[in-house]
Amino acid sequence: DQQVKQNSPSLSVQEGRISILNCDYTNSMFDYFLWYKKYPAEGPTFLISISSIKDKNEDGRFTVFLNKSAKHLSLHIVPSQPGDSAVYFCAASAGNTPLVFGKGTRLSVIA
Amino acid sequence: DVKVTQSSRYLVKRTGEKVFLECVQDMDHENMFWYRQDPGLGLRLIYFSYDVKMKEKGDIPEGYSVSREKKERFSLILESASTNQTSMYLCASSLSGLGTEQYFGPGTRLTVT
Repeated sequence: DQQVKQNSPSLSVQEGRISILNCDYTNSMFDYFLWYKKYPAEGPTFLISISSIKDKNEDGRFTVFLNKSAKHLSLHIVPSQPGDSAVYFCAASAGNTPLVFGKGTRLSVIA
Repeated sequence: DVKVTQSSRYLVKRTGEKVFLECVQDMDHENMFWYRQDPGLGLRLIYFSYDVKMKEKGDIPEGYSVSREKKERFSLILESASTNQTSMYLCASSLSGLGTEQYFGPGTRLTVT
């Protein structure tokens, strides 16, 4: 039973355009959501997070949107750069329980 | 900066061997975690620890055990390695709360032949 779903295994975007990565969840108790970025042969690095009391959080080129009624969040990267090419993981937690990760989406930014 | 280090980047072991993967964090974090990452399966939690000598099973604990004798060190043990344990193993730590931002080590690519 997958509680956090990233339905697109891969995404290809032109440099300078917007990248939109999507994540759906099923557990209505989730109250904190995070995005991680992972390069090959490296550990994931934290990118941005959002609490369930908010619907948007922005950090530079990265913005996360949360739609609680749809149980959906998305990560927008504007403008996309070749260095953004990586695997992106969505994660969620409910109170003091460990993070639950999605399977990841591989983003390729084409110059 | 938080630093999480793992004892080996690459490891090759034979079936049936006992394997130790070590993880050390330098920021006095309470919580530590072990994951494995496999293509198409994402990050799956094996075990976690919220205090010294405390451990909890994650989603896929079978075939693994852990040890946390000191706050900064969390070891993953494969009692008898099998080929289906070939994977990328990632250690992480977090300061406050199990569901908050985690800091990951670089990973250990384990191959069991």
